Amino acid sequence: AQTVTQSQPEMSVQEAETVTLSCTYDTSESDYYLFWYKQPPSRQMILVIRQEAYKQQNATENRFSVNFQKAAKSFSLKISDSQLGDAAMYFCAYSTFGTSYGKLTFGQGTILTVHP
Amino acid sequence: DSGVTQTPKHLITATGQRVTLRCSPRSGDLSVYWYQQSLDQGLQFLIQYYNGEERAKGNILERFSAQQFPDLHSELNLSSLELGDSALYFCASSWGGAGGPTFSTDTQYFGPGTRLTVL
Repeated sequence: AQTVTQSQPEMSVQEAETVTLSCTYDTSESDYYLFWYKQPPSRQMILVIRQEAYKQQNATENRFSVNFQKAAKSFSLKISDSQLGDAAMYFCAYSTFGTSYGKLTFGQGTILTVHP
Repeated sequence: DSGVTQTPKHLITATGQRVTLRCSPRSGDLSVYWYQQSLDQGLQFLIQYYNGEERAKGNILERFSAQQFPDLHSELNLSSLELGDSALYFCASSWGGAGGPTFSTDTQYFGPGTRLTVL
């Protein structure tokens, strides 16, 4: 079974600074997807960024980028120019495709605090 | 707004009761997923339906059941409720794709969740 581990229960960053959230996963599969979801106090799950395992190029979405290291099974999220609205719980998630058709396995989450 | 709707937003009920949570996927999405978020278990996958058929099952209790209707909306039924069933229940949807799963078709978009409190 696949597992996802987020080793940082809490992180904090100053507004306008950069922060990196860590995620490692365990799988025996070669093709899969990785995601970062954001959960603000409203509890809505918001997709931040996604990565296909076969793509070596790291995904980028505006101020959000990932560092995907397939051999190390690592998938970290970098938030640049942090804003107060980035404060939330961040979940790393894994999904395979094929027989299980994309069910998500989540990490434990990292609470990000942004200080003004 | 993800385009996925869930009703009700909040539900308060007593132990032993039965409730039904409803989810309407994004327009055109064929797959619906149910997840449970609780303090002790984190976010867990419960069950997936694809175009009306059960596709995958996760840690779903026997007291829980789900179905997807011809109009693609889905319902999650929780019965014989216990205190430990109190949680946030999310529905997510993805297109699924007629040709099988792909990255774009399998990205999941979440609804706002239903907060269930069992007293």
